Formats: sequence, structure tokens, C-alpha cells
Amino acid sequence: EAGVAQSPRYKIIEKRQSVAFWCNPISGHATLYWYQQILGQGPKLLIQFQNNGVVDDSQLPKDRFSAERLKGVDSTLKIQPAKLEDSAVYLCASSPITGGSEAFFGQGTRLTVV
Amino acid sequence: TQLLEQSPQFLSIQEGENLTVYCNSSSVFSSLQWYRQEPGEGPVLLVTVVTGGEVKKLKRLTFQFGDARKDSSLHITAAQPGDTGLYLCAGDSSGSARQLTFGSGTQLTVLP
Repeated sequence: EAGVAQSPRYKIIEKRQSVAFWCNPISGHATLYWYQQILGQGPKLLIQFQNNGVVDDSQLPKDRFSAERLKGVDSTLKIQPAKLEDSAVYLCASSPITGGSEAFFGQGTRLTVV
Repeated sequence: TQLLEQSPQFLSIQEGENLTVYCNSSSVFSSLQWYRQEPGEGPVLLVTVVTGGEVKKLKRLTFQFGDARKDSSLHITAAQPGDTGLYLCAGDSSGSARQLTFGSGTQLTVLP
């Protein structure tokens, strides 16, 4: 079974530029999460989808971050404009049901904003 | 937002020693998961505990869920260098919008 795919693996941008991350979850998984992980810390939930609907985006900085999950499969997370404090690893995870089961993670995208 | 605090934040021990990592919250969780993360990779699930007071063993790792389902611990016996990594607890909320909330993490280094 293929795992969660994310791209790119690494991205370096200047502040105020825009960037987009892509995630392809495990086939059939209804729930998709985007997490932000600062080095050495636990992942912080940014947004949670069930199919193509948003379940929770309370911690998403909506003035600069946006995410969509078209057709309930792939998802993209965008930052525009980026700030220095956005430097982090962005992890995508999927789960077969809404909560209550294992979350399968991709390798993440390491973003550096300079 | 439900908070999960882990302690200690950093732990460096010699091979063969035992250790315990704690995960505490003021919130009740329907279940609690423990993950291990290696550099450059996403977290990987180790175990899920569901019932208050539950104890699960995975080889040298013992996981316990508190009676009130607010806290958990991970005990490693005779640690090995391969156990090195970031250990994360994650609580599954029982509300209408169930979500996985992660703790702050414990960075474990086992020295040979």
C-alpha cells in the first residue's frame, strides 16, 4: 500500500514570497490533516478535512495560509506572503475515519524562509 | 484547544538504562496514541490506548493510560541506541469534531 506522498521535500524562499505544498493521502482515507512542526516540537494542527469539507481550521492563520482538498483526494497548502516564523516542517497525514484511528504521515516538506 | 504536556523535553541516557516519559493533560481523551519520529521522517504510530487504566506492552516498551484518561506514560526497559528519536503522545478528542492533538514531544538520545 502506497503511503502519504508530499512534495516538495525541501523549499527555500524569501520572506513575502508565496509557496505551495502538495499532499496525496493514502487511497480511501477520508480524513486529511496538515500539521506544522517547529524543530524539536510536536506537530501543531493547521487544518483537518473530512473528504472535501473542512472539519477544523481554528489554528490556521487565515490571513496568509489557505488550503483546499478538491474532490476529497489530493490537498494543497499555500502560504502567501511567507514570514520568517513560517520556517518549519509541514506534515500531511491521513486517516481512514474521522479521529479514533491511526494517522499515517508523509515525510513532510521542510520550509526555510530567509 | 486541548493541551498535552510531555516531560521531560530532552532525555539523554546510556544504553541499558530504563526511562519513563510522561504525557499530561487537563482534558479527557477518548484514546491516546504514542508516536516515534526520526529525523527527516513523519511520526509513526507505536500504540493506541483506549481504556482508562489500560497497560500495553510492545517488546521493551510499556504504555499506560491513566484511570481518568487524562494522562499516559511510556516506559522503556534496557534502552538501545535504536530507540533514539522524538517520542510524541497524541490525544484523540471525543467531541463532535474529533481531532488528533499532539504533545510537545520528548527527544530521547540513547548513547552506546
